[in-house]
Amino acid sequence: EAGVTQFPSHSVIEKGQTVTLRCDPISGHDNLYWYRRVMGKEIKFLLHFVKESKQDESGMPNNRFLAERTGGTYSTLKVQPAELEDSGVYFCASSQALVWTDTQYFGPGTRLTVL
Amino acid sequence: AQTVTQSQPEMSVQEAETVTLSCTYDTSESDYYLFWYKQPPSRQMILVIRQEAYKQQNATENRFSVNFQKAAKSFSLKISDSQLGDAAMYFCAYNTDKLIFGTGTRLQVFP
Repeated sequence: EAGVTQFPSHSVIEKGQTVTLRCDPISGHDNLYWYRRVMGKEIKFLLHFVKESKQDESGMPNNRFLAERTGGTYSTLKVQPAELEDSGVYFCASSQALVWTDTQYFGPGTRLTVL
Repeated sequence: AQTVTQSQPEMSVQEAETVTLSCTYDTSESDYYLFWYKQPPSRQMILVIRQEAYKQQNATENRFSVNFQKAAKSFSLKISDSQLGDAAMYFCAYNTDKLIFGTGTRLQVFP
């Protein structure tokens, strides 16, 4: 069974540019989560999809971040325009069951550097 | 607010020895889960072990075990017979409806 995949693995952009990160969850997993780790700090929750619906987007930093999950399969996270403080590693995770106790499986992350 | 604290940014251990990574958390909830995740260099984060708060018995997974002290809100990870492949960032996490992570502990294993 394929795990959670993320693309790209690294992205270096300049301030003001746009970047789109992609996450493909494990097949059949309805729950998809985005997290972010800024260098040296904790991994922070951004948002949670159940299928194509946003269940919780309380962690999204501001309106420069837009997440979508059309069709309830893969998800994209767009940052527009990017700022220096957006640099970090963006993780995606997925889980199968609609209960919060279910284990979340993580992707390898996308390292975003904004210059 | 729910928080998770890992007070050891870095730890080191010699191969075959035992090491304990510390984690404390703060919550007013009575029902929750706790996790340790491991992220090896340039590889994906994987679940090491999980503990249900309502269970008094400490979870174990082969060489990995936890010391869960609910009253003290402490959840430490013990790695026995350390191996070179255990070198990684270890994240403690607390779960209600989303995961709340600590800042991580980087574990080095020396031959």
